[in-house]
Amino acid sequence: AQTVTQSQPEMSVQEAETVTLSCTYDTSESDYYLFWYKQPPSRQMILVIRQEAYKQQNATENRFSVNFQKAAKSFSLKISDSQLGDAAMYFCAFNTDKLIFGTGTRLQVFP
Amino acid sequence: DVKVTQSSRYLVKRTGEKVFLECVQDMDHENMFWYRQDPGLGLRLIYFSYDVKMKEKGDIPEGYSVSREKKERFSLILESASTNQTSMYLCASSMFGSEGYTFGSGTRLTVV
Repeated sequence: AQTVTQSQPEMSVQEAETVTLSCTYDTSESDYYLFWYKQPPSRQMILVIRQEAYKQQNATENRFSVNFQKAAKSFSLKISDSQLGDAAMYFCAFNTDKLIFGTGTRLQVFP
Repeated sequence: DVKVTQSSRYLVKRTGEKVFLECVQDMDHENMFWYRQDPGLGLRLIYFSYDVKMKEKGDIPEGYSVSREKKERFSLILESASTNQTSMYLCASSMFGSEGYTFGSGTRLTVV
């Protein structure tokens, strides 16, 4: 079975600091896609960043970047220069034929 | 921008009622999905559809059914609502799974 594990139910960070959210997954597939979604209190799921498994280069979107370790099946999200608006639930997700989600990490940002 | 619209933001229903949750997308996406979100459990896939009139069971289909009569509309049906179906329900659509999914803003269902 394909699974996604987020081992940090809650994290906190000071404004302007950097935080890393962890994610591991399990699959026997070699070709797949990985995603981080953000869910603020509005409940709207927002795609933050996407990684193709066949690409070795780590994806980056402005202040958001990933550390993708395919052999270790690890896909962590780094948020640099954290802002108050980054406070949300963050979900890691894995896709071959359908999207499988982790249990989420609630990120708090303190001024 | 792709838009996925869920007809109700909040819904309160009684045990035993038949409940319809409606989802409409406006970008001609082939694939549509229903997830259930519970604290500590993340999002779990209930049903999905890759085409009109086609449906596939996800990981937790028990107690639910779906209908997809038109490409843009995917309905989730609770035949006889029970209190353990109190949850947040999220609809999503995609053209290609490699691009990720677009989600609606969710329906918070309470069954009393």
